[in-house]
Amino acid sequence: AQSVAQPEDQVNVAEGNPLTVKCTYSVSGNPYLFWYVQYPNRGLQFLLKYITGDNLVKGSYGFEAEFNKSQTSFHLKKPSALVSDSALYFCAVSGDGSGNTGKLIFGQGTTLQVKP
Amino acid sequence: GAVVSQHPSWVICKSGTSVKIECRSLDFQATTMFWYRQFPKQSLMLMATSNEGSKATYEQGVEKDKFLINHASLTLSTLTVTSAHPEDSSFYICSARRGVGNTIYFGEGSWLTVV
Repeated sequence: AQSVAQPEDQVNVAEGNPLTVKCTYSVSGNPYLFWYVQYPNRGLQFLLKYITGDNLVKGSYGFEAEFNKSQTSFHLKKPSALVSDSALYFCAVSGDGSGNTGKLIFGQGTTLQVKP
Repeated sequence: GAVVSQHPSWVICKSGTSVKIECRSLDFQATTMFWYRQFPKQSLMLMATSNEGSKATYEQGVEKDKFLINHASLTLSTLTVTSAHPEDSSFYICSARRGVGNTIYFGEGSWLTVV
């Protein structure tokens, strides 16, 4: 079964510092991994995805994620955090092991708090 | 701008009544849409996959007779919560897959409060 885990409920970082939001995965077959961001009382916004290719994936708003097969991780990173990055971040995996599906299994979410 | 729209954004209904939530893809056709449920400060849980022109596929534990899904056209899926109870109060989010690839767009969500 496909699953993802986000070990941190909350990450606090000062504005201008680099940030990392952690995600580990467990899949049968090839991993198809995603990051989404959710602002309060809003839907989800797509940040980036890993299907195949380079392990470093660049996404929206300056975010990137590194796929690490040996560690089964897909951590979200940004070199310099902004206060406006404060939100709830979800890591997700394709629910059926296919790269062509919208059926997503989400992690529990990590709240990112960026302080000025 | 938003490419997937949900309506209503907020709805309050009385216990025992039914309420319908719409999910529309605004500028593309979506043969498949997905409905999720999110409790406060929790993750999203997939409820069902909505297929245009056929029956929805429900996840284990989701009551199909309570959560009626109709994918009437290539741009519209509806979720009807029948005989709603306070425990059905939640944030309901839909998503739609655009094209062949794996770009998924989410709606803005709909808050349902059953009183």
